[in-house]
Amino acid sequence: KAGVTQTPRYLIKTRGQQVTLSCSPISGHRSVSWYQQTPGQGLQFLFEYFSETQRNKGNFPGRFSGRQFSNSRSEMNVSTLELGDSALYLCASSSISSGANVLTFGAGSRLTVL
Amino acid sequence: QQQVKQSPQSLIVQKGGISIINCAYENTAFDYFPWYQQFPGKGPALLIAIRPDVSEKKEGRFTISFNKSAKQFSLHIMDSQPGDSATYFCAASRGSNYKLTFGKGTLLTVNP
Repeated sequence: KAGVTQTPRYLIKTRGQQVTLSCSPISGHRSVSWYQQTPGQGLQFLFEYFSETQRNKGNFPGRFSGRQFSNSRSEMNVSTLELGDSALYLCASSSISSGANVLTFGAGSRLTVL
Repeated sequence: QQQVKQSPQSLIVQKGGISIINCAYENTAFDYFPWYQQFPGKGPALLIAIRPDVSEKKEGRFTISFNKSAKQFSLHIMDSQPGDSATYFCAASRGSNYKLTFGKGTLLTVNP
C-alpha cells in the first residue's frame, strides 16, 4: 500500500511569491492534515480536511490556505511568502478504520524562502 | 501557549541503556497521547499511543507511562539501540479531533 506522497520535496522561492504544495493520501484515507515543522516552533497544525471540507484550522494567517479534492488529494497554498515561512510542510492522512487521530505522515515538502 | 511541554531537548544514551522522555500537558480534555519517531529526511511515524484509561502501555522495547493526576506521560525505551537514534515527539489530541498538539521534540542519540 503506497504511503502519503508529497510533491515537490524541495523548493526555493523568494519573498512575495506564492507556493502550492500537493499531497496524495493513502488510498481510502479521507482525512488530510497539514503541519508546519520548524526548528524553533516544532510541529504546528495548519488545517485538516475531510471529504473536501475544512474541519479544523490552526492559528496561522490567512496567507495559508488549503483545499481537498473529491479524490481526497489535497493542496496547500501560501501566498506572499515571508522568510519565516521557510519550513518543512508535512501532510498526514488518516481514516476512521485506522483509528481516530492515527496520522500517517508523508516525507514533507521543504520550502526555503530567500 | 505551549500546551504540551517535552523534555529533555536532547538525550545521549549508551547502547543497552534506558532512554526516558517526558511530556506534560495542560488541557484536561486531551484523551489521546501518541508518540512519534522521526528520522532525518522522513516524516514522523507513529510509535506507540495511549489513552488515559490505562496507566501504562508496552510494545516491545517501548513503554508509555501515563499519570493522569499529574497530567504527565513519558516514553521509556529499554535496551536502547543505535538504530533508535532519532527525534521523538509526544503529542495530544481530544475526542475525534484529528488535530494533534505536539511537544517540541527530543533528539535521542544512542552511542554504540
